[in-house]
Amino acid sequence: GNSVTQMEGPVTLSEEAFLTINCTYTATGYPSLFWYVQYPGEGLQLLLKATKADDKGSNKGFEATYRKETTSFHLEKGSVQVSDSAVYFCALKDAGGTSYGKLTFGQGTILTVHP
Amino acid sequence: DSGVTQTPKHLITATGQRVTLRCSPRSGDLSVYWYQQSLDQGLQFLIQYYNGEERAKGNILERFSAQQFPDLHSELNLSSLELGDSALYFCASSVARGLEQFFGPGTRLTVL
Repeated sequence: GNSVTQMEGPVTLSEEAFLTINCTYTATGYPSLFWYVQYPGEGLQLLLKATKADDKGSNKGFEATYRKETTSFHLEKGSVQVSDSAVYFCALKDAGGTSYGKLTFGQGTILTVHP
Repeated sequence: DSGVTQTPKHLITATGQRVTLRCSPRSGDLSVYWYQQSLDQGLQFLIQYYNGEERAKGNILERFSAQQFPDLHSELNLSSLELGDSALYFCASSVARGLEQFFGPGTRLTVL
């Protein structure tokens, strides 16, 4: 079955530091890939997405590139802010089949940014 | 605000009891998804409905059931509750087979 593996957290950075959160996946076919963010006490918000190999998703300074050869979708940001402190989830969605709508999530990575 | 509403926000109940969680999708969205977020299992897909019909099932226990009504709101029923059912339950909606799922704020269930 499908699975998503994220780097172990928590991640603690100083403001303006570079961020990388690794994500690799196992899936058949060509899934769509996502990064969701969960701020304290809130639901999940879509941060960015990519639907095919070599696509780059980007939003709010965050970027991730769909790498089919390495089955990866690593999240990066050049300069983090305190307001980026949250839990980040990598997820995939099947390209088709009976569970085409289902999202499979990684375990989440807690990011804390200090001033 | 995603446009997806969930009630109640918090629910505290005892083992053996039954509860109902409610979700109203974004206007126009036909698909509703339920997810469970717990410390040990992470975020897991439970079930999906599309325009009133069940479309996909995930790791949903037999004690749990769901339905989607003609007005497209959905309810998740949890019965014979156990301590391990304590979790955050999220509802999400999307436009038909839309790529993006919009998540509600969740219902935090505590079973004592």
